[in-house]
Amino acid sequence: QKEVEQDPGPLSVPEGAIVSLNCTYSNSAFQYFMWYRQYSRKGPELLMYTYSSGNKEDGRFTAQVDKSSKYISLFIRDSQPSDSATYLCATVRIQGAQKLVFGQGTRLTINP
Amino acid sequence: GAGVSQSPRYKVAKRGQDVALRCDPISGHVSLFWYQQALGQGPEFLTYFQNEAQLDKSGLPSDRFFAERPEGSVSTLKIQRTQQEDSAVYLCASNGARGQWGNQPQHFGDGTRLSIL
Repeated sequence: QKEVEQDPGPLSVPEGAIVSLNCTYSNSAFQYFMWYRQYSRKGPELLMYTYSSGNKEDGRFTAQVDKSSKYISLFIRDSQPSDSATYLCATVRIQGAQKLVFGQGTRLTINP
Repeated sequence: GAGVSQSPRYKVAKRGQDVALRCDPISGHVSLFWYQQALGQGPEFLTYFQNEAQLDKSGLPSDRFFAERPEGSVSTLKIQRTQQEDSAVYLCASNGARGQWGNQPQHFGDGTRLSIL
């Protein structure tokens, strides 16, 4: 079993829809959580990161963490075709080296 | 440029050849990371440098993989006697943090796409 599980999709929604992307993790040592966006043939680009349980909002994006259930989510409001990409959740332990542990990535398409 | 730069962008090699992949981190970034991303998968950690010291190489899949950062800036990932299963995108990332997470996210390059025939 992978340490971070993420539904690979693909997920296809119409423009303007609210998108919900989710990951679960298995190790309580993971304390920071990130969402990266990766366009085709590009490197991952950090969207948001959070430490605490609860919500963190940045424009049309909201990251949600529930440490009690080991569940993390990313919501995209008013989705745009430019949001079409692969979304990767990632986590890291506080102690020790900074190596990121990624989910498989969800491929998202926003249809005009 | 201001970002992490990787070269070459694409590399094709025959099985058994040696390859070398280069990473230029963001200027002044202390920490440098290499990840391997197979098709349709998330990146997987390979190795981590703090300045010139390789502090974690637990993700290197075999002794055919070797990484170095001799002057604490540019890094090279070398793969000897390449195998078909080595085909993947190799990503480099850097940040200014020392040791633990330090609230500094990793900035990624666009990767080298390696194909072994």
